Parts: sequence; structure tokens; C-alpha cells
Amino acid sequence: DGGITQSPKYLFRKEGQNVTLSCEQNLNHDAMYWYRQDPGQGLRLIYYSQIVNDFQKGDIAEGYSVSREKKESFPLTVTSAQKNPTAFYLCASSPTSSQYNEQFFGPGTRLTVL
Amino acid sequence: GNSVTQMEGPVTLSEEAFLTINCTYTATGYPSLFWYVQYPGEGLQLLLKATKADDKGSNKGFEATYRKETTSFHLEKGSVQVSDSAVYFCALSDREGSWGKLQFGAGTQVVVTP
Repeated sequence: DGGITQSPKYLFRKEGQNVTLSCEQNLNHDAMYWYRQDPGQGLRLIYYSQIVNDFQKGDIAEGYSVSREKKESFPLTVTSAQKNPTAFYLCASSPTSSQYNEQFFGPGTRLTVL
Repeated sequence: GNSVTQMEGPVTLSEEAFLTINCTYTATGYPSLFWYVQYPGEGLQLLLKATKADDKGSNKGFEATYRKETTSFHLEKGSVQVSDSAVYFCALSDREGSWGKLQFGAGTQVVVTP
């Protein structure tokens, strides 16, 4: 079955530590995205990538970093510079970055900073 | 800039009641419009979409019509079930440079009681 997987489902981190969230898709999609979701708020875009080896900052990129070395993988690193990292993180992909394409979402990773 | 406004929740209904969730948008171009649904602890799933004015999206008994004159995309279902309890997000995708950026509303929680 094609889809998007994110791991781990739950992640705990101590303050001052970097942590990397995994996102893998086998849909053969070119575009991939990372969003952050906080309680009672919509999703906010962290980073996006339209093609391998290229990525762009979204609305809230400070304190985060990404890489896109393979088409199917788009890991997100939450660095110690992110002031309030506790949130639900969602990865998504779409066939292209066209405005007409829906985005397909993974199940999410809930990050808690202790 | 673009924005999406949804009615605040939670919306609490009895089973078989009629559901309406209001969504209005502001966009500079000609956006595509989407409704996504999020069940507890999961990622988002596309519920329906419309890509041009007067289009009606429909799926699983839900409907929404793209109204350019009122800049609205209200979600409706004639008879809800307990399994429809979820958070519903209205979103628009508008061309921004070389890609279609997805902008989400804050989400509306729907609770259906037996």
C-alpha cells in the first residue's frame, strides 16, 4: 500500500537537545512538506520541498532544518534554537506543487520537550 | 495575504442532525478549496475539494460548493453519525511563485452524540 509514514509516533526530548523526525513516502510524489499543529490552531508550514536537493523555508522555519537527499525522504530536525518545540508535527506530500493537487498527510509525530 | 476563517467549535450535534460548518476565505488569485478531516491522534485526510467557482465537491455524504461571489466554501452533511466526530479544516491553495501554497483555517471540532 502506498502512503506516508512518520516515526516515531511519540518523541520526548530534553531541553537543549536536537531531535530528528522521520518522514518517508512511497507515492512517488515530487513535493513534500512539514507542518506544525498546536492545540486550537490550524497547520503552519515549516519547510517545503518541490524536488530532490531543493527546499524552501515556510512561515515558521526558525529553529528547524531539513534535507531532501532522496525523493522518498524528507527528515525534519528540531534544533535547540526552537523556543517552543512541543507540538504535533505532520509531514505531507503531493504529486507536484501545483495548487490543484491535494496533499497527502502522514499520521504525525507528537514531540514533547521535558 | 491569503487567509481562511472557519466557525469556532466545538459543534455538538445529535446523531442524524444536519451539519453546517462555515468557511470563508480571502485570496488574491483564483484558489483551489479543500476540506480536510482529522480524527483523534491521526493525520489529515482529504474530504473533498473544488478547483473553480461553482464547483461542488462531495464525498461520504459531505458537500461543499465553491462560491466566488461570497468567497465561501461551507461544508454540509444531511445526517451525521457518531463516526463523523472529528476536527474539520477548511483550506485554500493559491499560486505563490512557482507553487501552490496550502493555507489552513483553525479547524472546527465536531462532536456527534448518540
